Amino acid sequence: GESVGLHLPTLSVQEGDNSIINCAYSNSASDYFIWYKQESGKGPQFIIDIRSNMDKRQGQRVTVLLNKTVKHLSLQIAATQPGDSAVYFCAEKIIGGYSTLTFGKGTMLLVSP
Amino acid sequence: EPEVTQTPSHQVTQMGQEVILRCVPISNHLYFYWYRQILGQKVEFLVSFYNNEISEKSEIFDDQFSVERPDGSNFTLKIRSTKLEDSAMYFCASSEALGWGGEAFFGQGTRLTVV
Repeated sequence: GESVGLHLPTLSVQEGDNSIINCAYSNSASDYFIWYKQESGKGPQFIIDIRSNMDKRQGQRVTVLLNKTVKHLSLQIAATQPGDSAVYFCAEKIIGGYSTLTFGKGTMLLVSP
Repeated sequence: EPEVTQTPSHQVTQMGQEVILRCVPISNHLYFYWYRQILGQKVEFLVSFYNNEISEKSEIFDDQFSVERPDGSNFTLKIRSTKLEDSAMYFCASSEALGWGGEAFFGQGTRLTVV
């Protein structure tokens, strides 16, 4: 199985930079993907989602890219702000039935002013 | 904006004791979930609940765990005899649907510390 530990991958950026956070998902049958943001001491907060029949979806300052061939997701954050500092998780699921979310390991984003 | 609320925010209990974690899901949501997150690790699925019954559960959700929707608003997770390794953040979540757009909204979590 996947190994997890206390050390998260960390991405450190300067305020105003663009950030790209990557995620490899595990189940080729997954057809719905969500990015969550988790600030310290809080629950995961929905950012953006994408369905498997799409390659790209844009929100406000965020873009999610999906590459099903290599089972890879990325979250792009434009003009990163200190308030974006958090742990970012990708999650996958299969639409329909009672399939629930499977979360990735998470990446910590640190934004310096 | 509607939100999932959880109480208490922090629960300390002795090993072997029973704990009940409480959640009030978003009112028009039909699907309810419990997840947990051990410190520094990823969020792990425990159980999903729909139409007053468990719809799916993970290997973590053994006989020590149970869930209940005692009334029209609350959703509870009970751990019958807590173990040290049950120490974690427990998140309740709810969703309006299962499919596209049925993203889960999470509460702030209950930090359970078993001593």
